[in-house]
Amino acid sequence: QKEVEQDPGPLSVPEGAIVSLNCTYSNSAFQYFMWYRQYSRKGPELLMYTYSSGNKEDGRFTAQVDKSSKYISLFIRDSQPSDSATYLCAMSSFNKFYFGSGTKLNVKP
Amino acid sequence: NAGVMQNPRHLVRRRGQEARLRCSPMKGHSHVYWYRQLPEEGLKFMVYLQKENIIDESGMPKERFSAEFPKEGPSILRIQQVVRGDSAAYFCASSPDQTTSTDTQYFGPGTRLTVL
Repeated sequence: QKEVEQDPGPLSVPEGAIVSLNCTYSNSAFQYFMWYRQYSRKGPELLMYTYSSGNKEDGRFTAQVDKSSKYISLFIRDSQPSDSATYLCAMSSFNKFYFGSGTKLNVKP
Repeated sequence: NAGVMQNPRHLVRRRGQEARLRCSPMKGHSHVYWYRQLPEEGLKFMVYLQKENIIDESGMPKERFSAEFPKEGPSILRIQQVVRGDSAAYFCASSPDQTTSTDTQYFGPGTRLTVL
């Protein structure tokens, strides 16, 4: 079993839709949870990070962590064509990082 | 504060040559990670280094690949006798000391290696 599981998509939504991206994990030792956005032929860009269970909001983005279910989510409100990218979840414990395989999102105008 | 810097951005090598990829972490960051990414695939961990130490090289191929992070200067990922299968994007990431800051990682723009 992989440490981190993420649906590769692709996920195609109309502009303005609410997008839900999810990851599950198996290691209860993970302490930090991150979401990265990667545009084609670019490096991953850190979008949000959280520590412990709960929600964190930043503009149109909300990150949610449920440690009891080992499940994390990223919600994008009012999605825009510029949000079209691959989204990677990542988790860490004591400076070791584990990445999901990424979900490709396409927001259609 | 400059981000993670990688050079060259693009590197072309013929089979059998050596490739050297360089990474300068963000200021104040003492941890460096190297990843490989094939087209349409996820990030594959290769190696984790701190200054003058390899902490975890469990993702590195046993032959032809090596990495270092000297006391002075950038981290280097070295691939000897490259083969076509080495063609990929190689990303470097850095993170701050866990005792002083959050446990997050910041990526460089990557080096795209093409082996002819």
